[in-house]
Amino acid sequence: DVKVTQSSRYLVKRTGEKVFLECVQDMDHENMFWYRQDPGLGLRLIYFSYDVKMKEKGDIPEGYSVSREKKERFSLILESASTNQTSMYLCASSLAGIAQQYFGPGTRLTVT
Amino acid sequence: SQQGEEDPQALSIQEGENATMNCSYKTSINNLQWYRQNSGRGLVHLILIRSNEREKHSGRLRVTLDTSKKSSSLLITASRAADTASYFCATDEGTSGSRLTFGEGTQLTVNP
Repeated sequence: DVKVTQSSRYLVKRTGEKVFLECVQDMDHENMFWYRQDPGLGLRLIYFSYDVKMKEKGDIPEGYSVSREKKERFSLILESASTNQTSMYLCASSLAGIAQQYFGPGTRLTVT
Repeated sequence: SQQGEEDPQALSIQEGENATMNCSYKTSINNLQWYRQNSGRGLVHLILIRSNEREKHSGRLRVTLDTSKKSSSLLITASRAADTASYFCATDEGTSGSRLTFGEGTQLTVNP
């Protein structure tokens, strides 16, 4: 079975802190994705990557950056956390050319 | 922008009844998928239907796709309390990196 893991289930950070969310997948998938999920807004794509060191902006990249130095790992970085970035963050991966995505358990981030 | 929009937003039924959820989308798609999310967890892929298919079955799940109306429906037959979850449709428009666009989801509650 594909396994996608995220570094934390729950995270509390202060405004202005730099925050790293880590995602690791163990099935050699080319594509990796970061979403945020908010009530009434569904899942919104922040960034995605279809290869090592490649990244593309999603629908809401402002305030975020990403890093993909290794194929199995995709990091989401909040350069200076703000309260409006309090959300559930979901990582996913998929094989190149295959639509089905595999999701991690999510990280619920609270910025105070 | 929201590609997939689910209807209804919330649905409450009794065990044993059937549950029907609908999804509408705006642009041409390669395929449409349905995912399930248990409270506070990641999404799990349920079923994929390609744009040239009209109906697909998987166990108690039945998905239909009407590309002329740009809509899909997910039917869960003989529902169980364990089916309580949020259900999301996701469309693949064939853009780079196999990115998906998710709707806002339908919260299904199955009462024992």
